[in-house]
Amino acid sequence: DIQMTQSPSTLSASVGDRVTITCRASQTISSWLAWYQQKPGKAPKFLIYKASSLESGVPSRFSGSGSGTEFTLTISSLQPDDFATYYCQQYNSYPLTFGQGTRLETK
Amino acid sequence: EVQLLESGGGLVQPGGSLRLSCAASGFSFSSYTMSWVRQAPGKGLEWVSGISVGGGSSTYYADSVKGRFTISRDNSKNTLYLQMNSLRADDTAVYYCAKRYCSGSNCGGFDIWGQGTMVTVSS
Repeated sequence: DIQMTQSPSTLSASVGDRVTITCRASQTISSWLAWYQQKPGKAPKFLIYKASSLESGVPSRFSGSGSGTEFTLTISSLQPDDFATYYCQQYNSYPLTFGQGTRLETK
Repeated sequence: EVQLLESGGGLVQPGGSLRLSCAASGFSFSSYTMSWVRQAPGKGLEWVSGISVGGGSSTYYADSVKGRFTISRDNSKNTLYLQMNSLRADDTAVYYCAKRYCSGSNCGGFDIWGQGTMVTVSS
């Protein structure tokens, strides 16, 4: 099984900051990676597919990059609505696997 | 509106069974791979099972549920199912059904999620 490891587990930041979350795969997954945002009590929201393609309707301050085993999610200028938990997920092969999550909190 | 609506969760004793349903609307259900994803209280997301398009001839499971859970679909009813047997305390979670994203040749990830249904396994 492919293991996904996110860092950091928690990130403290302020509105307007640029933040980056890293996701590493235990083996190469090409660009078969998605990112999600989840708020407490809600279902995850699909942000990015194929490592860097933005889902329709997602603000352009979100961006993804990487391929192979190392990936990043960047928020260029944090907005109040962005404080949430973020997950990466590989879909290179079954079983599909998620990272453990990165909680983005207010500094 | 594209929508997924889960039902069937509840309290069940260890060793018991439960069947979850997920009613789909607003898209061509039979044309998409579907999955179940769960989230234990205070924990992260865990993919549970997936089923292929059409008749669902291909099914996939996480090791943690293999042999105990069965995924199926009824395209005539636009409904996804998860039959859960031999339930354990560590199966306690919110269970989400999720639609695989697919646009042209770009397929992967889950673009549509239900609101989730809570399953609690406890005596």
